[in-house]
Amino acid sequence: AQSVAQPEDQVNVAEGNPLTVKCTYSVSGNPYLFWYVQYPNRGLQFLLKYITGDNLVKGSYGFEAEFNKSQTSFHLKKPSALVSDSALYFCAVRDSSNTGKLIFGQGTTLQVKP
Amino acid sequence: KAGVTQTPRYLIKTRGQQVTLSCSPISGHRSVSWYQQTPGQGLQFLFEYFSETQRNKGNFPGRFSGRQFSNSRSEMNVSTLELGDSALYLCASSPVVSGRNEQFFGPGTRLTVL
Repeated sequence: AQSVAQPEDQVNVAEGNPLTVKCTYSVSGNPYLFWYVQYPNRGLQFLLKYITGDNLVKGSYGFEAEFNKSQTSFHLKKPSALVSDSALYFCAVRDSSNTGKLIFGQGTTLQVKP
Repeated sequence: KAGVTQTPRYLIKTRGQQVTLSCSPISGHRSVSWYQQTPGQGLQFLFEYFSETQRNKGNFPGRFSGRQFSNSRSEMNVSTLELGDSALYLCASSPVVSGRNEQFFGPGTRLTVL
């Protein structure tokens, strides 16, 4: 069965510092991996995805993520955090089958302090 | 292009009632998925539609149903509402059903069951 784990409920960083939000996954077959962000009272916004190719994926708003097959991880990173990055972040996975169904992690709240 | 729209944005119902939520996908998108978001269970997949056909269904009771129309608009219905159905219901669209495609989410419908 597919699953996603985000081991940290909350991550706190100071503005200007690098940030990492962790995600590990379990799927049978090749994974399709996604990061979404949710601001209060809003839907989810797509940040980036890994389908195949380079392990380092660049996305919106300066975010990037590193796919590590051996560690089954897909951590979200940003070199310099902004206060406006404070939000709820979700990692999601699909297996390689022909479906749109996403399996989400529980979410990690990112708090960036000035 | 306009984004995914969901109506209504907020609903208050009482136990035992039924409710219908509506979703209009991005123009040209033919795949629509629905998710339920609660603090306890996180984001859970409800169903996926493509070309008026249900392609996939999550682990929800039969009280939860949906449909898609020829213009790709979708509705979901919950009958005999329970307190536990209180949640944010999110609709997401993509051009076709593909594991590679990101989904674009609407702002959600906040359902409160009293």
